[in-house]
Amino acid sequence: AQTVTQSQPEMSVQEAETVTLSCTYDTSESDYYLFWYKQPPSRQMILVIRQEAYKQQNATENRFSVNFQKAAKSFSLKISDSQLGDAAMYFCAYWRPGTYKYIFGTGTRLKVLA
Amino acid sequence: NAGVTQTPKFQVLKTGQSMTLQCAQDMNHEYMSWYRQDPGMGLRLIHYSVGAGITDQGEVPNGYNVSRSTTEDFPLRLLSAAPSQTSVYFCASSYLTSGRAAAANEQFFGPGTRLTVL
Repeated sequence: AQTVTQSQPEMSVQEAETVTLSCTYDTSESDYYLFWYKQPPSRQMILVIRQEAYKQQNATENRFSVNFQKAAKSFSLKISDSQLGDAAMYFCAYWRPGTYKYIFGTGTRLKVLA
Repeated sequence: NAGVTQTPKFQVLKTGQSMTLQCAQDMNHEYMSWYRQDPGMGLRLIHYSVGAGITDQGEVPNGYNVSRSTTEDFPLRLLSAAPSQTSVYFCASSYLTSGRAAAANEQFFGPGTRLTVL
């Protein structure tokens, strides 16, 4: 069975600095998708970034980028120029074709210090 | 667009009571799902649906029922509430596309329902 592991329950970063959140996953599949979702204090989850396993290029969305290492089964999220509004719980998620089931990690709470 | 709405926002139940958590979306999404969020456990899938009349179990379905009579609504029923069902419940929806990446689309989440079972 696939699993998603986020080993950092909590991280802190100074405003304007860069932080990297870790995510590892276990799968025997070669075709899958990975996601990072953000849950701010309002609890409303929003998609940050999506990566397709077949794509070599790491996905980027403005200040958010990923480091996707398929062989190592690692999918880390880098937040550059951190802002106070980035403070949230971040969830890594996995999905593979042929299913309708997403698997989420346990989340990393990010604190941004002014 | 209201997006995904959930009611109620908060609920307290006694053990053994039943209730229905409501979820509605106005984006004409085929895929809808229910998750529960517990501290240290992330989000776990309870049930999901890929269209009206089609539902299936997720990772933690025991104690919960769902039905989908319309595209818009996907209620979650707790048949006999237990303290272990104390959690925050999220409903989500997304488009389904054709091909292998059918459900690899952005999920839109509701604001959640905080449920306490005494």
